[in-house]
Amino acid sequence: KQEVTQIPAALSVPEGENLVLNCSFTDSAIYNLQWFRQDPGKGLTSLLLIQSSQREQTSGRLNASLDKSSGRSTLYIAASQPGDSATYLCAVPNTNAGKSTFGDGTTLTVKP
Amino acid sequence: DTAVSQTPKYLVTQMGNDKSIKCEQNLGHDTMYWYKQDSKKFLKIMFSYNNKELIINETVPNRFSPKSPDKAHLNLHINSLELGDSAVYFCASSARDRDHGYTFGSGTRLTVV
Repeated sequence: KQEVTQIPAALSVPEGENLVLNCSFTDSAIYNLQWFRQDPGKGLTSLLLIQSSQREQTSGRLNASLDKSSGRSTLYIAASQPGDSATYLCAVPNTNAGKSTFGDGTTLTVKP
Repeated sequence: DTAVSQTPKYLVTQMGNDKSIKCEQNLGHDTMYWYKQDSKKFLKIMFSYNNKELIINETVPNRFSPKSPDKAHLNLHINSLELGDSAVYFCASSARDRDHGYTFGSGTRLTVV
């Protein structure tokens, strides 16, 4: 059974700082890995999707890496801004079933 | 707009009532999902349909019954609502090959009083 863990559960940083969010998974036979952002009271917005054959994906100030062998993914946010404050979730689709296992999220607060 | 849309956005109802949440996607995806996010913000899969066929049914009370009239729609009907059913319910969809990941709806906040 796939288990997905995100550390830390909460993170508070001053504006401008670079930061890394972590996602670990127990079953390395993954199809891909997706990072989402969720604002309070809102839905999930897809940020980056890394296929199992890829090592990283970049979008603007965001960079996500994937190391299947060690069961880890990181989301790097450069030059953080208050608008980045949200909960960040990683999701891992299981290869043998049509569902994703979600981590419990990291709640990020960027202080002006 | 291409999207996954859910209705209603908010739903407040009394215990014992029956209610439905509707979901539609116009992305051409053939797999749709229902997820539940509880008060602790944990997201758990409830159901998954592929081309109108149920492929995942997690441990969910049988008061919850999904219905997929076609591959663009997946509705969730809940009978005899209980206080513990209060949560945010998210609909999502993906293509068969899942290469483009999942697209989520904006959620339905259900409050049972």
